[in-house]
Amino acid sequence: NAGVTQTPKFRILKIGQSMTLQCTQDMNHNYMYWYRQDPGMGLKLIYYSVGAGITDKGEVPNGYNVSRSTTEDFPLRLELAAPSQTSVYFCASSAGTSVVNEQFFGPGTRLTVL
Amino acid sequence: TQLLEQSPQFLSIQEGENLTVYCNSSSVFSSLQWYRQEPGEGPVLLVTVVTGGEVKKLKRLTFQFGDARKDSSLHITAAQPGDTGLYLCAGDQSNFGNEKLTFGTGTRLTIIP
Repeated sequence: NAGVTQTPKFRILKIGQSMTLQCTQDMNHNYMYWYRQDPGMGLKLIYYSVGAGITDKGEVPNGYNVSRSTTEDFPLRLELAAPSQTSVYFCASSAGTSVVNEQFFGPGTRLTVL
Repeated sequence: TQLLEQSPQFLSIQEGENLTVYCNSSSVFSSLQWYRQEPGEGPVLLVTVVTGGEVKKLKRLTFQFGDARKDSSLHITAAQPGDTGLYLCAGDQSNFGNEKLTFGTGTRLTIIP
């Protein structure tokens, strides 16, 4: 199993450009998450999904959109990139089948907006 | 306002020393997890504590969940360079399982050989 994979690993955007961060998991997990991590900080939840067709906002959703058309894929869309969106983005998944669920993280996408 | 505060934010100690990292909140959590993150990688789960007062050991790492389930600590005995990394606590406030986690501010630990 590859676990959680993210593409691209690095990206530089100009202000106002758009892009989609891809996330795929092969563990048949129901729950998927997008976080951002600013330098030296913890993780902040952007959006999450508890199953295909279901998404919900996290702590910092403004400027982002998501979709969950399949169990495996959970892409994150930035429509009008801003310097404040410069960060490292992590996708995660969990089984969601027990009281305590481990979240499995991808390797991250480092995004710079200039 | 950060729901989970970790202290210290940075810690640099010599190999062989002991250390304790704290994770504090004014909110009650149904469970609390500790993750370690190495540079350029995503966080990896170390342990989950569920019961108030629970103590779990993972080799040289000892994790404790506060009696009121509002705080937790991580104690490392005889630290080694391989313990270097960012340590994150994460709390779950739901009753039905880990739908969402709230992550702490993180403690960046450096062990000097």
